[in-house]
Amino acid sequence: DAGVIQSPRHEVTEMGQEVTLRCKPISGHDYLFWYRQTMMRGLELLIYFNNNVPIDDSGMPEDRFSAKMPNASFSTLKIQPSEPRDSAVYFCASSFRLSNTGELFFGEGSRLTVL
Amino acid sequence: KNQVEQSPQSLIILEGKNCTLQCNYTVSPFSNLRWYKQDTGRGPVSLTIMTFSENTKSNGRYTATLDADTKQSSLHITASQLSDSASYICVVTPYSSASKIIFGSGTRLSIRP
Repeated sequence: DAGVIQSPRHEVTEMGQEVTLRCKPISGHDYLFWYRQTMMRGLELLIYFNNNVPIDDSGMPEDRFSAKMPNASFSTLKIQPSEPRDSAVYFCASSFRLSNTGELFFGEGSRLTVL
Repeated sequence: KNQVEQSPQSLIILEGKNCTLQCNYTVSPFSNLRWYKQDTGRGPVSLTIMTFSENTKSNGRYTATLDADTKQSSLHITASQLSDSASYICVVTPYSSASKIIFGSGTRLSIRP
């Protein structure tokens, strides 16, 4: 398997524009997480899905953020409208069953810069 | 509040030297404690995992230890190599909620030739 695949790797946009980040989890994994990483705050959980269903979105900062998982092999994180403070690296991670030893497999991240 | 704190924030050592990174946590009880390595511009990758009953776990030149009484873990790197330059993140999974994984802020390690 190719691992968790994210796109785009880099995105530069202007304030007010819509941003869509994409993630393809590892085949067979039933959990998918979206994280945001900044120097100041480290890794923060935004939302996670179990079997394509959003379970906890309490980490989504504002209504400007939304996430979907229409099927087991694809998820999106959308920011509309984007603001400079949204600049960060956004990671998608997937896991199988989240058992006692459940490991998170991360993608390479999407680096977002909002001007 | 469940927390994971790491020290030092950053560390510079010469190639070939050993080093130890620290992790203090308040999460209790927990299912497992992992150390992840994050290379610059990449996603984190798991290095070691320990359950609450384990004291040590090795992965090549990486050795993690766990003291459940003092709620401390350490990651020891032996004979460092340039490729060890990365951030190392301590991650604890609470027993009550496997999805509420708690990340430390990481230690940025730089290996100089």
